[in-house]
This record gives sequence, C-alpha cells and structure tokens, in this order.
Amino acid sequence: EPEVTQTPSHQVTQMGQEVILRCVPISNHLYFYWYRQILGQKVEFLVSFYNNEISEKSEIFDDQFSVERPDGSNFTLKIRSTKLEDSAMYFCASSEGLVSYEQYFGPGTRLTVT
Amino acid sequence: AQSVTQLGSHVSVSEGALVLLRCNYSSSVPPYLFWYVQYPNQGLQLLLKYTTGATLVKGINGFEAEFKKSETSFHLTKPSAHMSDAAEYFCAVSEAGRRALTFGSGTRLQVQP
Repeated sequence: EPEVTQTPSHQVTQMGQEVILRCVPISNHLYFYWYRQILGQKVEFLVSFYNNEISEKSEIFDDQFSVERPDGSNFTLKIRSTKLEDSAMYFCASSEGLVSYEQYFGPGTRLTVT
Repeated sequence: AQSVTQLGSHVSVSEGALVLLRCNYSSSVPPYLFWYVQYPNQGLQLLLKYTTGATLVKGINGFEAEFKKSETSFHLTKPSAHMSDAAEYFCAVSEAGRRALTFGSGTRLQVQP
C-alpha cells in the first residue's frame, strides 16, 4: 500500500542552524502539507502546497519557513534559523486531488533544537 | 475560527466494551470532519471522514461516527473494544473548501484485558 515517507526520523540541530526536513508524498497525490506537534500540544497546520505554490498557510508559517518540491517526488520543509521553540514532531501529509480531502500522513520527523 | 474539543484526554475501557470518544467542534460554515488514530511511533492514520451525505459514517477497524449538526458533535464509537485499539485518537475539522485541518488535543484509549 502506498505511503508517505519522511526522512530523517530524528534530527538534532543547534539553535540558529538551517534544517531541511524531507518527505516523499504518495506518488499520484497533488496536495502536500506540513503539520507540527510540539510535545504535549495539539497537531498544528503549517502549510499546504498545490501546483508548485503555497495554497494555504498558518500564522506559524513565517519567513523562517519555506517549502519546495525540488523534483517530481520530494517535498521539503526548510527552517532557516532554528529556535528552541521549533523543537517538535513535523508531519508531512498528502492528498489525492481536487475533490478528495483525505490527508495521508507520514510517520514524522522529530526535530530537537539545542 | 474553528476549534475542536475532545472531552477526556484518557479513556479506559475493558476488552469487549463499548468505545465512545467525544468530539465537539465549532465552525462558522459546514465542516468536513475526520478521525485519525496514532499508534506508538507511527504517523496519523485516517479512520473515517464526513464531508457530505449520510451523517453516520463507517470507518476502518469497526469504528463509526455520527455527525450531529444540532449538537456540533462527531463522536467516535466502536461496539466492542479490542486490545489492538489501544492508541491515541484525534478528531479534526476543516472548513468546506479549505484544506487545513484543525485538530483536537487527542484522546488516549487504553483497553484493559
């Protein structure tokens, strides 16, 4: 069964460093998403991406964040200058198309900023 | 703005007993509603969804949920709990036509033998 994959499973970085989290969405899906979950808090929407551009973003998704689909399979989230409060589990998700709202999630990347 | 409330951060049931996990939402427009399950060290797996049509929806693993507009609720039920149902369950909502999901804080289900 097709699934969303994410790498790495755990990333440790120092404050101020740039990190790139990688995701491979399900191959025929057209919408891609990033969510995060800070330990003990709710899962929060960051951004959705369709047709090579951002379609929605939350107020969390400020200028330090960016997303990219560098090739036909990967979808990345970049955090330019990490802060301690960026420590969280980051989930990638994808959904099929214009009429399907079902989002399929990857296993997550745990980001620890020290 | 939307919000989702899940009553009970922890629910414990005996194996074979009814499972009832509560979800209430607030939304200014008709929502799309979802339940996800998360097993330890895994991602979120879609259990079921309501978008339009029949208000009682059936999902995987014997779960079902009923959309009650008058109560702004979307409670998740399963007639008979199984040990393998132990996991964290998340209710989520999106506004019709939008993609962003707003999640509840989750309910951890324990199933006692």
